[in-house]
Parts: sequence; structure tokens; C-alpha cells
Amino acid sequence: DIVMTQAPLSLPVTPGEPASISCRSSQSLLHSNGYNFLDWYFQKPGQSPQVLIYFGSNRASGVPDRFSGSASGTDFTLKISRVEAEDVGFYYCMQSLQTPHTFGQGTRLEIK
Amino acid sequence: QITLKESGPTLVKPSQTLTLTCTFSGFSLITGGVAVGWIRQPPGEALEWLALIYGDDKTLYSPSLKSRLTITKDTSKNQVVLTVTNVDPVDTATYYCAHRRNSNYQNWGQGTLVTVSS
Repeated sequence: DIVMTQAPLSLPVTPGEPASISCRSSQSLLHSNGYNFLDWYFQKPGQSPQVLIYFGSNRASGVPDRFSGSASGTDFTLKISRVEAEDVGFYYCMQSLQTPHTFGQGTRLEIK
Repeated sequence: QITLKESGPTLVKPSQTLTLTCTFSGFSLITGGVAVGWIRQPPGEALEWLALIYGDDKTLYSPSLKSRLTITKDTSKNQVVLTVTNVDPVDTATYYCAHRRNSNYQNWGQGTLVTVSS
């Protein structure tokens, strides 16, 4: 299985400040079509996950542009340019290049 | 508008078979490249991928659970069913079904909490 490792696991952020979450995969996630099969999901407390980023850097429909994703080899980063109170929750990276699709441990973002 | 909703028992005894149904609307499982998957989340823990089914009946399973999982679809009813045999308390989790398109899980159901206990 491809192992996804996130850091940090807990991220206290002051509103208005930027935030960054790292995700490292144990293998390349680069498909032959040129895309990284890496998604970022956000789960508010008590709610279902929702996709933020797919193919490593494509923002999903309706996702604010303060969210961005980037990739460098097997290292992936989710950045929030200015954290808002509604961003509190858990963030998960997930690979779907190979079965089983695997998630990172999750990063809990909280407001300072 | 795409919606998905999971249904099934909230309490199951150890060794029994768990059957969960995902009823969806707003998309067709006949459309190429579209799939429905199941993902679960034990209380306070991370997400765990279980299985996926495409419109052409191609199925994918988590290798660690493959012997206990079966995913099927009923296109006429817009439903996908997941069965988990020989359940154990470690299978206690919120089970989500999700619509997969463009290589990501675009829409998720609200989830259903299943407790395995005698």
C-alpha cells in the first residue's frame, strides 16, 4: 500500500494568517497522463468530507481561492493564504493512483 | 444537484453480516468514468477506503478487507450496496458512500454510524 504521511497533525493558526499542511507519499503518485493522483479533503466537525483539491493542484468547484495545492515529487502541500474561522476542522490528503486508495492521518486545524 | 444517502442498521452483532445501501441521485452510474465508493471512519480516527464500483461493473477492494467485502450496484434503483461479512467491534465506524468522478470523490453522503456490539 502507498503510505501517506501528513505533518503537522495539529495546526493552531491565528485568523488572517497563512497555514500550510504537508503530505508525503511513499511512492510517486504521477499517472501516465501527467497528473498526480493526490486529493485534499476537508472535514468540518460532525460533517462529511468535501474535496478541496484534486490532481494535486486543481481547486474543486466552489472552493475559495485562498486554498491552493502544490506538488514536488512525492511531497505535496496544501496552503491556505488567510485562515478563516470556517476553516476549522480536519484536512486529509488521499492518493488514488493505486488500490487501496489511502488517506493521510489527518491534520487538525484550530484557531488560536 | 448530486446527493447520496447511506442507509442500514445502526447496531450489528459480532460475526453477523452488515449490509449498507447508498441511494443516489443527480448522476448516472452508467456514465463513463463515474463510480461510487465506500469509505469509513472509526470514531475519532482517520478515513479508510473500502471499495469502489464503476458503471461497467468493475470493482476495486481494499486488499486487507477484500475477503469480507462485496460491492454491487442496481442501476435501475440508483443504488450501490456494500456488504461486510463477519463483523467485529473494530468495524464500528461511520460509513460514507461517495460519488467519484474526474479521479476524486466529488460528493459524499452524510454517513451512517454503525456500531458492532453484542
